[in-house]
Amino acid sequence: GQNIDQPTEMTATEGAIVQINCTYQTSGFNGLFWYQQHAGEAPTFLSYNVLDGLEEKGRFSSFLSRSKGYSYLLLKELQMKDSASYLCAVKRDTGFQKLVFGTGTRLLVSP
Amino acid sequence: ETGVTQTPRHLVMGMTNKKSLKCEQHLGHNAMYWYKQSAKKPLELMFVYSLEERVENNSVPSRFSPECPNSSHLFLHLHTLQPEDSALYLCASSQDRNAADEQYFGPGTRLTVT
Repeated sequence: GQNIDQPTEMTATEGAIVQINCTYQTSGFNGLFWYQQHAGEAPTFLSYNVLDGLEEKGRFSSFLSRSKGYSYLLLKELQMKDSASYLCAVKRDTGFQKLVFGTGTRLLVSP
Repeated sequence: ETGVTQTPRHLVMGMTNKKSLKCEQHLGHNAMYWYKQSAKKPLELMFVYSLEERVENNSVPSRFSPECPNSSHLFLHLHTLQPEDSALYLCASSQDRNAADEQYFGPGTRLTVT
C-alpha cells in the first residue's frame, strides 16, 4: 500500500523560516509534488522533485531523499499570504491513483 | 477564461435530488480528473478520463456518475446522495495521465447534502 505523513498544523511568524516535512512509503515512486491550497480555493502547484536534492524557486525550496522516503518544503521570509494548507503528493507509475496526496499541513503565519 | 473552471461553486441538495457538477479546462489537456476532498482526509481520486475515455473506475458508489463529452468538459452527475457525500469536489486536468506533469485544479464545488 502507500502511506504519506505530514504534520497536521504548524504556526510561524512573519519573516521567519518554516520547514514542512513529508515522509512516504509507496511502490512505484516516480516523483513528489508540493501544492499550496488556500481555504476555499484550488490547490496550486509549487514544486516537483524526482531526483535527490534541493530545488529552489524564490522564497520556496523543496528537498527530496528517495532512499529515506523523505521530502520537505522550506518557506523563507514568511508572509501573511503564505497562510494556507500545503499538500505533499507522491507520483506513482502504477495503480489507479497515480498522484497520491497526504492530508496536508495547515500553516498559520502570524504578525 | 483560463485554467480550470468549475460550476457551481456551492451546492446544497437533498438526498432525493439530482444535480450535476460541471468542469471545463482551457489548457488543451488530454486527461481530466474528479477528486473528493473531505475534512482531515487526503484527496481521493474518483474518476479519470484520458482522451475522453474513462480509464478505470475506482470503488465509487453508483450514485456518482461521470460524463466526459469532449476533452475540455467533464461532468459529475449526482443522485440520491448521502450526508457523508458532503465534501469539496475538485476537478483537475493534466497534459497526459502517465507523464510526470503537474495537475491543474479547479476551485472546487462545495457540496452539502441535507
